[in-house]
Amino acid sequence: EAGVAQSPRYKIIEKRQSVAFWCNPISGHATLYWYQQILGQGPKLLIQFQNNGVVDDSQLPKDRFSAERLKGVDSTLKIQPAKLEDSAVYLCASSSMPGQGAYEQYFGPGTRLTVT
Amino acid sequence: SQKIEQNSEALNIQEGKTATLTCNYTNYSPAYLQWYRQDPGRGPVFLLLIRENEKEKRKERLKVTFDTTLKQSLFHITASQPADSATYLCALYGSSNTGKLIFGQGTTLQVKP
Repeated sequence: EAGVAQSPRYKIIEKRQSVAFWCNPISGHATLYWYQQILGQGPKLLIQFQNNGVVDDSQLPKDRFSAERLKGVDSTLKIQPAKLEDSAVYLCASSSMPGQGAYEQYFGPGTRLTVT
Repeated sequence: SQKIEQNSEALNIQEGKTATLTCNYTNYSPAYLQWYRQDPGRGPVFLLLIRENEKEKRKERLKVTFDTTLKQSLFHITASQPADSATYLCALYGSSNTGKLIFGQGTTLQVKP
């Protein structure tokens, strides 16, 4: 079974530029998550999708971050414009539909973003 | 506010010993608690899940306890090996069924041969 795919793996941009990350979840997983992980901290949820719909985006800085999940499969996360404090690893994860007894999340390798 | 605390200092142990990692939480009533392993440059990998009505869960050399009175989970690795060296994250899951996890900051374990 293929895991969660993310690209790019690394990205370096200057502040005020824009950047986009892509995620392809495990086939059949209805729920998709984007996390931000700052060095030395645990992952922090930015946004959670269930199929096409947003379940939770309470910690997404909506003035600069946006995310979409078209057709309930792939997802993109965009930052525009980037700030220095956005330097972090952006992790995508997926899981089966909650309520079906499978609450573990499967993570991709992440995209390491450096904003200079 | 909700808070999850794991030992921020790295845990260094000798190969063959039992490693014990702690996860404490406040202002939260989780329905589930999960433990993940994270290696440098990789995403977290799920290890174990324990429910609020379970006291203990085992999987091979791993054991997790969950004390909802103390608001604490302990994660044990018996007969530790250098390959167990990694950062271990605990994550709490609320009583709603949205699947939202809140992670601790992780504890780095170093097992020396």
